[in-house]
Formats: sequence, C-alpha cells, structure tokens
Amino acid sequence: DTAVSQTPKYLVTQMGNDKSIKCEQNLGHDTMYWYKQDSKKFLKIMFSYNNKELIINETVPNRFSPKSPDKAHLNLHINSLELGDSAVYFCASSQEVGYLSEAFFGQGTRLTVV
Amino acid sequence: AQSVTQLGSHVSVSEGALVLLRCNYSSSVPPYLFWYVQYPNQGLQLLLKYTTGATLVKGINGFEAEFKKSETSFHLTKPSAHMSDAAEYFCAVSDLSGNTGKLIFGQGTTLQVKP
Repeated sequence: DTAVSQTPKYLVTQMGNDKSIKCEQNLGHDTMYWYKQDSKKFLKIMFSYNNKELIINETVPNRFSPKSPDKAHLNLHINSLELGDSAVYFCASSQEVGYLSEAFFGQGTRLTVV
Repeated sequence: AQSVTQLGSHVSVSEGALVLLRCNYSSSVPPYLFWYVQYPNQGLQLLLKYTTGATLVKGINGFEAEFKKSETSFHLTKPSAHMSDAAEYFCAVSDLSGNTGKLIFGQGTTLQVKP
C-alpha cells in the first residue's frame, strides 16, 4: 500500500484549462501539505492543512485552491492554467503539525502546460 | 528567517568512494534539520533528521550527518558510494516561526556515481 498517493502522475493540459490533482494518505496523519518543485528542482511549500483546517497559505496565486474533504485527502485545484504553472507538485503528510514532524511525500504529479 | 544552502549543485564520485554533500544553515534559534533523497521520478524520502541531542545522526542506507553549530553545517556523508545512491539530495530546515511543520529546502545536490 502506498502511504501517500497522488493522481494523476502526469498531467498535460492547455493554457486556460482547469485541472485538479488528488492526494490521499493512509498513514492516519493529521497534517497534509502541497509543495511545488520547479524546473530547477527547487521545492517550496504552497499549502498545509491540519485536521481539514488551512494553516499555511504561502504567496500562491488564488487560481490555486486546496480542498480537504477529510483528514486523509488534500486535493489541489488549479484554474486558468498558465505556462508558468508547469512543475512537479508533491503532496506530503505528517503525523502532527509541528517542527519535529517528519513529512512523508507522494511520488509527485508532473504538470505540463502547453 | 531560516534558510539552508547546499554547496555544489552537482557532485560526482566513483563507486566505493566517500560521499560528502554539504549543507549550511542559517537560524537564530537551534534548528531542526533534515536530509531527504529523491530518486528519479519519485517522491522525497527521509534519510535522517537532527532535532536535539547527539550531533552525529545516522540514517538509512548507510548515510550519516553531523550537526556542527560552530560551523552552522549539517553535511551528509557515506563512507562508500553505491551506484544506487545516484539521486537528488535535499537539505531542509524546519520553519520554527509558526510551528506549522513547514520545511524550507535547499537547492538540492545531484549525486552522480561513476562505475
């Protein structure tokens, strides 16, 4: 069983489209995250949810909207996709919120906007 | 604000040679530091972490790292490289400003292992 799973693994779409990436964790963790990895492999946090409550919202365009229907799921919806949104998006989870928490990462979703 | 800097975006070693990946941090308070590995087309996997206590931290796959406060460093080492170690390695520091679990990553180091 995959601990943190994302779908789809690859996503190719045209500019202007709306797309979603789904994430599920079966670790029983309370906290989930979205990170973005750019073309230079730099990783930066986008969002974090703890018990379905948003606790981190970095300076991300409001075209990006996370949704957490329950503690095990954190989906990322992106409206009006732009070329610059092309990146690898990683979902992660940790047992609890806090600086000692070890984050477990999904395998990533490679988004290509054409 | 906390940050980490990885010196060397690309490191190449021969199989069996010592692996040394450098990470320096900036933090006004005692940091919590992590090393993650990313194999091709995969997610990140935790190698090891330093929180408090012993400054030499042992991780998985024979890796270890030493926390040196005086040098603000947390370098990753492995005595003998294997071909399977070829991957991207990330040093990260836990953001202590909000206790949110947010990780601040370095730029990454690509490790190449030559036969």
